[in-house]
Amino acid sequence: DVVLTQSPLSLPVTLGQPASISCRSSQSLVDSDGNTYLNWFQQRPGQSPRRLIYKVSNRDSGVPDRFSGSGSGTDFTLKISRVEAEDVGVYYCMQSTHLGTFGQGTKVEIK
Amino acid sequence: QVQLVESGGGVVQPGRSLRLSCAASGFTFSRYAIHWVRQAPGKGLEWVTLISYDGNNKYYADSVKGRFIISRDNSKNTLYLQMNSLRAEDTAVYYCANLATNPDYWGQGTLVTVSS
Repeated sequence: DVVLTQSPLSLPVTLGQPASISCRSSQSLVDSDGNTYLNWFQQRPGQSPRRLIYKVSNRDSGVPDRFSGSGSGTDFTLKISRVEAEDVGVYYCMQSTHLGTFGQGTKVEIK
Repeated sequence: QVQLVESGGGVVQPGRSLRLSCAASGFTFSRYAIHWVRQAPGKGLEWVTLISYDGNNKYYADSVKGRFIISRDNSKNTLYLQMNSLRAEDTAVYYCANLATNPDYWGQGTLVTVSS
């Protein structure tokens, strides 16, 4: 089974400053079709999750451009260029190359 | 607008069964694979199962394989999750989600509590 390991698990950030979350997979997420199905989700307090990034680096419709995704193979990163108050919540990476697996989640809070 | 509305949650004793439903509207349900994802109280997200657009292919997490059955009725725009032999560790909010579109769509979730 694929295991996704996120770090850090808690991320206190100052408003306006950048933030970065790492997601490492126990095996390559490159599919036989050549795509890498690594997604990033945001879950704000009391809300259902929503996807921010699909296939490593593609932003979903309506997602602010301060969110970006990068990486390849087994190592992936979500970056927020300038954190805003509405970005508070838990962020999850999720792979769908090998069925489905979520990372443990990273809680982003304002310092 | 697009809606996914889960129902069927509640309190159930260990070993018993429960069936969840997810009613879809606002998009062509029969075109998309749909997931069930769950979240235990205060915990992270766990992928549970996926069904293809036509219902012919189904995939399960090891934690529910052999106990849960996913199905869909495209004529009713409804997804189901039959949960058998329930355990305390199945206690969670269960979400249905369409991750095949941009943006994705999630329901509000339905709470299942397995307790004697």
